[in-house]
Amino acid sequence: QVQLVQSGAEVKKPGASVKVSCKASGYTFTDYYIHWVRQAPGQGLEWMGWMNPDTGNVRYAQKFQDRLTMTRDTSITTAHMELSRLKSDDTAIYFCERHHDYSENNSWGQGTLVTVSS
Amino acid sequence: QSAPTQPASVSGSPGQSITISCTGISSDVGTYNLVSWYQQYPGTAPKLMIYEGSKRPSGVSNRFSGSRSDNTASLTISGLQAEDEADYYCSSYASGSRLFGGGTTLTVL
Repeated sequence: QVQLVQSGAEVKKPGASVKVSCKASGYTFTDYYIHWVRQAPGQGLEWMGWMNPDTGNVRYAQKFQDRLTMTRDTSITTAHMELSRLKSDDTAIYFCERHHDYSENNSWGQGTLVTVSS
Repeated sequence: QSAPTQPASVSGSPGQSITISCTGISSDVGTYNLVSWYQQYPGTAPKLMIYEGSKRPSGVSNRFSGSRSDNTASLTISGLQAEDEADYYCSSYASGSRLFGGGTTLTVL
């Protein structure tokens, strides 16, 4: 079955970077875009960007343009999301999502809690 | 582009119908129908309930339906059940970027 398994929780200091991984299985990795979505404590969903695992093309939300990097390693069907220059309000659960606008085949990772604290 | 607007909360009694609106959706021709709806229980990942505005994934109850009129999308849940109590989010596109609505908490009385 389709699974997206994310890396474990992280605690980082302000100014540091964090890299979250999303291991995909059960489908052809390059057939579906990977989106990253975050959710701050008690808040709603916030879209961060998408990556085409086939080409590596990305699109980031304007808010994250200068400190977000999405990459992938097709040999191990894993997507990565790296956020730099962390601030306390980056504390959130980060989700990867297998997404296709015209398909019901939608899946989410279990989420990774990133805590930014001095 | 600002996020679509959803009511913070809605409520209904078992068996009733409720509608959650999502206003301020872009009318970009290429992404006009690309509205999705997600259900989220506390502490869990969201679940896709509606895609392409009105299509329902297999396994999702036919009590859930989606529609759109101009710049407003709507999610209707008929025959409310206790298990429908959750947060609901709309998602759309504007200028190539994806946007989520602020979310609506549904309470089943």
